[in-house]
Amino acid sequence: AQSVTQPDIHITVSEGASLELRCNYSYGATPYLFWYVQSPGQGLQLLLKYFSGDTLVQGIKGFEAEFKRSQSSFNLRKPSVHWSDAAEYFCAVGAPNAGKSTFGDGTTLTVKP
Amino acid sequence: DADVTQTPRNRITKTGKRIMLECSQTKGHDRMYWYRQDPGLGLQLIYYSFDVKDINKGEISDGYSVSRQAQAKFSLSLESAIPNQTALYFCATSDPPAGELFFGEGSRLTVL
Repeated sequence: AQSVTQPDIHITVSEGASLELRCNYSYGATPYLFWYVQSPGQGLQLLLKYFSGDTLVQGIKGFEAEFKRSQSSFNLRKPSVHWSDAAEYFCAVGAPNAGKSTFGDGTTLTVKP
Repeated sequence: DADVTQTPRNRITKTGKRIMLECSQTKGHDRMYWYRQDPGLGLQLIYYSFDVKDINKGEISDGYSVSRQAQAKFSLSLESAIPNQTALYFCATSDPPAGELFFGEGSRLTVL
């Protein structure tokens, strides 16, 4: 069965600082990997996704993530955080053609002025 | 207008009442999902449907039922609501093969 671990429940960074959110997954083959963001009172929005090919993927809002098969990780990064990035971030893993995703418990990002 | 619309957005009800949450989509996707979100627990899959005639149980289907009335409509019912069903419920759609999900804005349900 597939699973996702987001080790950090809550992260605080200063505006303008760099950000890395960790995600580790468990799946027997190459999975589909996703990062979603949830702003307060909103639904989830896709930031980026990995299916195959280049292991460094670019997403919206200046985010990127790197797939590392050897570490079973798919960490999300941003070089310079903006106050509007404060939100909850979810990593998800999907089995190809299974049609459903498993989510991590989420990481809440707070941005200090 | 939102691509995935959920109604109601907020609902307070009492233990034992029957509740229906509705979801409609304009994305033309065949696949639709109901997730439940509890603080600190991420999203848990309740039911999913790959087309009108295909309904599947997710991780936490006990106490819930669904109906796929049309390609664009997928409703979630709580036959007899209980307080531990108090949560934020999300409907989502997806388009194979990638499986990325498109979410509604959520329905917050409180069971007293």
